[in-house]
Amino acid sequence: TQLLEQSPQFLSIQEGENLTVYCNSSSVFSSLQWYRQEPGEGPVLLVTVVTGGEVKKLKRLTFQFGDARKDSSLHITAAQPGDTGLYLCAGELSGGYQKVTFGIGTKLQVIP
Amino acid sequence: DAGITQSPRHKVTETGTPVTLRCHQTENHRYMYWYRQDPGHGLRLIHYSYGVKDTDKGEVSDGYSVSRSKTEDFLLTLESATSSQTSVYFCAIRARTGDTEAFFGQGTRLTVV
Repeated sequence: TQLLEQSPQFLSIQEGENLTVYCNSSSVFSSLQWYRQEPGEGPVLLVTVVTGGEVKKLKRLTFQFGDARKDSSLHITAAQPGDTGLYLCAGELSGGYQKVTFGIGTKLQVIP
Repeated sequence: DAGITQSPRHKVTETGTPVTLRCHQTENHRYMYWYRQDPGHGLRLIHYSYGVKDTDKGEVSDGYSVSRSKTEDFLLTLESATSSQTSVYFCAIRARTGDTEAFFGQGTRLTVV
């Protein structure tokens, strides 16, 4: 059983559409990170959220941390082919970075 | 880009043989980690290091050992490779306690036949 459940696991959309990816848990996290991974590469950090209710924006990407710090969402506006990739959420439990747990990921394909 | 290099990038080995993967960093970061990534499981922590000669086990450490004799190098050894260890292995580094950003290497794809 995954501590962090990501949904959907696969998403194929047309260029210009909006989408939301969810990351849910029953555990409380001290921080939550979103990474993007391209084929053959390692994950690259997009954002870290720390405070319950926090919203961060990165161009067309909006990240939100749940009030109870158990869940997060990633919303992409007007998706572009360059957004294609595997999106991973990672939650840090108390005790340092060795306690980071990753979700399985959402594989996004944006069709031109 | 963070200076982190994994070698080899690809390896095919036979069951029962020892295998060592290397992670080399030029950032002088204190913390180093080894993960494996498998379909349906995501990234899982194998071992990590919080300094030279200081290492600890992660979630899936059975069958793996690590060593860190220098700040810049973190080695992952499969003493006797098994088919269940076929995976993509990632090394990650982090500068200091409290840092949330981790930098990942490009990965090593290991196939055990």
